[in-house]
Amino acid sequence: GAGVSQTPSNKVTEKGKYVELRCDPISGHTALYWYRQSLGQGPEFLIYFQGTGAADDSGLPNDRFFAVRPEGSVSTLKIQRTERGDSAVYLCASSYSGTDYEQYFGPGTRLTVT
Amino acid sequence: AQKVTQAQTEISVVEKEDVTLDCVYETRDTTYYLFWYKQPPSGELVFLIRRNSFDEQNEISGRYSWNFQKSTSSFNFTITASQVVDSAVYFCALSEAYSGNTPLVFGKGTRLSVIA
Repeated sequence: GAGVSQTPSNKVTEKGKYVELRCDPISGHTALYWYRQSLGQGPEFLIYFQGTGAADDSGLPNDRFFAVRPEGSVSTLKIQRTERGDSAVYLCASSYSGTDYEQYFGPGTRLTVT
Repeated sequence: AQKVTQAQTEISVVEKEDVTLDCVYETRDTTYYLFWYKQPPSGELVFLIRRNSFDEQNEISGRYSWNFQKSTSSFNFTITASQVVDSAVYFCALSEAYSGNTPLVFGKGTRLSVIA
């Protein structure tokens, strides 16, 4: 079946602009995660949804970052007043609920803030 | 706090050599999961294995094998008879296991280059 998809694959924006990154999880997966991967680093957790609600947003770096999942499927990560330090690959993952399930990752969105 | 350390930043081997990627973890949880993911040049993370902290049996899957040792907090990954297609960045990760879905804590990764 279809895997996790993310759009756009690449996004270049100017400092100070607003961006939205989209994640479409695997059908039937109720858990959805956002991670950020900087060059040469491992992915770092941002936020996790269980259904429509954010179960854990402790990884969001500041209040410029926000994410929604209004219908419990597609999620959008929103970044306001982008800064050059926000440049990274933003990864989305999904899984079934419960601890016994691995997370499947999408191809990521490469965000470049100029 | 949870932490995963992959001390090897880069490894280069000649095709058909065996190679072991090290992973050391820290956690206060008594129940947790350990993972390995592969990130090829295309960039998409590919799940390789999940191991429950209660299960210390080593696992073999084709040319891949994993050695979990709770006594040393290590979860090492060995590729036997390496191939060029094994070239990728490999990540070890950890999550708690007692409160439902939890985020993964990743190491910084080990870049493996297999030379023909």
